[in-house]
Amino acid sequence: KNEVEQSPQNLTAQEGEFITINCSYSVGISALHWLQQHPGGGIVSLFMLSSGKKKHGRLIATINIQEKHSSLHITASHPRDSAVYICAAVNYNQGGKLIFGQGTELSVKP
Amino acid sequence: DVKVTQSSRYLVKRTGEKVFLECVQDMDHENMFWYRQDPGLGLRLIYFSYDVKMKEKGDIPEGYSVSREKKERFSLILESASTNQTSMYLCASSGQGFYEQYFGPGTRLTVT
Repeated sequence: KNEVEQSPQNLTAQEGEFITINCSYSVGISALHWLQQHPGGGIVSLFMLSSGKKKHGRLIATINIQEKHSSLHITASHPRDSAVYICAAVNYNQGGKLIFGQGTELSVKP
Repeated sequence: DVKVTQSSRYLVKRTGEKVFLECVQDMDHENMFWYRQDPGLGLRLIYFSYDVKMKEKGDIPEGYSVSREKKERFSLILESASTNQTSMYLCASSGQGFYEQYFGPGTRLTVT
């Protein structure tokens, strides 16, 4: 079993839908990183959070440290949101090394 | 804005060649990382560095070495490239005590 598990692995949505991607982890962490990777592109950091909730535009990330669970929500999804979303646990005790989930491939259809 | 740049977007090398991949960051970050990304295996850490001239092995260091002579530059070296090193290579950096990592655009390396 991976230390960081994402679900679903693949997701297809219609434009305008509300999307949720889940991330569960089994290790002690200091924070959680959400990353976005477009096809053929580099990786962009969306959020890093250690408690509560963060919002940036149509993206919202939440984390529940007690339950070892984080979610990434996309409101009013758009085809340009199509990408792979990766969650990664941050281990401060190991110099900020990341433990990556497998990624969720999101496709938003017009 | 943090900027992490990599020397090449695409690279084709022959088996046995010595390959240098360079990464430069402009935010005075202490920490730098090299990853490779393969379908079905996700991102895996090859090497990382906390400071100039310091390096630590990641999860898959075999066949690779690194060099960090200046704070802004972190090089990944394939001493003798092999076909199983065909992959996407990503560099990242983060600041001391602030571990949000910023990634470069990636280098797609093909070894033939």
